[in-house]
This record gives sequence, structure tokens and C-alpha cells, in this order.
Amino acid sequence: EDQVTQSPEALRLQEGESSSLNCSYTVSGLRGLFWYRQDPGKGPEFLFTLYSAGEEKEKERLKATLTKKESFLHITAPKPEDSATYLCAVQAGGTSYGKLTFGQGTILTVHP
Amino acid sequence: DGGITQSPKYLFRKEGQNVTLSCEQNLNHDAMYWYRQDPGQGLRLIYYSQIVNDFQKGDIAEGYSVSREKKESFPLTVTSAQKNPTAFYLCASSIATRLSSSYNEQFFGPGTRLTVL
Repeated sequence: EDQVTQSPEALRLQEGESSSLNCSYTVSGLRGLFWYRQDPGKGPEFLFTLYSAGEEKEKERLKATLTKKESFLHITAPKPEDSATYLCAVQAGGTSYGKLTFGQGTILTVHP
Repeated sequence: DGGITQSPKYLFRKEGQNVTLSCEQNLNHDAMYWYRQDPGQGLRLIYYSQIVNDFQKGDIAEGYSVSREKKESFPLTVTSAQKNPTAFYLCASSIATRLSSSYNEQFFGPGTRLTVL
């Protein structure tokens, strides 16, 4: 069974204090790993897709990396507007319909 | 603007009542999905559809039903058989789901919060 575990559950940072969020996964043949941002009471917003170990993608202050067992979302010099829940999801190679298995999320709070 | 719309934003259900959540997309996506989100848990798949007039059960389909009569629309009915329906419901869509496709990103609507009175 595919599993995704995100850590920490919650992270509090001061503005400008860089850190990383972790997404550990077990999946039978990774087809893709996805990062989403979710604001309270809203739907998840797509951030990145990573397909193979060693791949990296960047968007503003966010950088996502992928290994064979985990993915990291690095946040450089965060601002209060980066506060949100960050969700990680995997898609297994054996699925025929694009099913995503989600982790529980990391709640990020950035204080000014 | 292309996107996914869900309505209503808030919905209240009485015991024993069926309710229908609307999901519409104008992204010309083939695949559509319904997820349920509960506090402290990841999103869980209820139903999905890869093409018009076809849909399949996800991990937690009991107590729910769907239809896919048009490419743009994928309504979800929460029936009285669903014992714990209070949750945040999210609809998503993606271009394709075939194994050979790289377009696997799912894009989500704004969600409907359902509360049982």
C-alpha cells in the first residue's frame, strides 16, 4: 500500500528564517510526486511535480527536491504570506487512473 | 478564466437527507475526481471519472454517488447512507490519466464544506 508521511506536522518560523519540510514515501514505482499549497478554507494550489530522483524545481522562495525515498520543500527567507499548509502526494506507476495518495500536510506559520 | 468551480461553498444537511455538491470545469480536462478532507488527515479519494458516462469508486465510496453526463460536470451526491458526512469536499481535474501521459497534475476547486445538523 502506498504511504506518504510529512514532517513536521507544524512549523513556526520567523520571517527570513529558512527551513525545509519533509515528505517520506513508499510507493510501488513512483510515477510522480506532487507538492501543493493550501490556504485555510480553500482548495489546494498546485506547486510542483517531480518525476525522478535528483530532480529539482524552483518557484520564488520555494525549491523542491526528490530522492528515492523522500522529497524536501526548501523555503528560503520566508515571508508571512508563505504561511499555509503544504501537502505532498504521490502517484504510483501501477495505477491506471492517476490516483494520488496524500500526506497529512505540514502547517507552516511565518511570523513577521 | 479557466478553472474549476464548486457550489455551494457551505452546505448544511439534516439527518436522513440527500444532498448534491456541484463541480464544473472549463479546462477541457478528461479526468475528474472527488476527495474528502478531514482535520489532521490527508485527502481521500471518493470517486473518479476518466471519461464521460464512466466513473469508478475510490477508497471511500460508500454512502456517495456520482454521475458524469457531460465532460465539464461531475456532481457528487452525499446520501443518507453516509454516516459521517461532515467534511470539506474537494473536486479536482486533470488532462489525462493514461500511463504514458506526463500530464498528471490535478487541479482543485475551492471546495464545499458540508455540515450535518
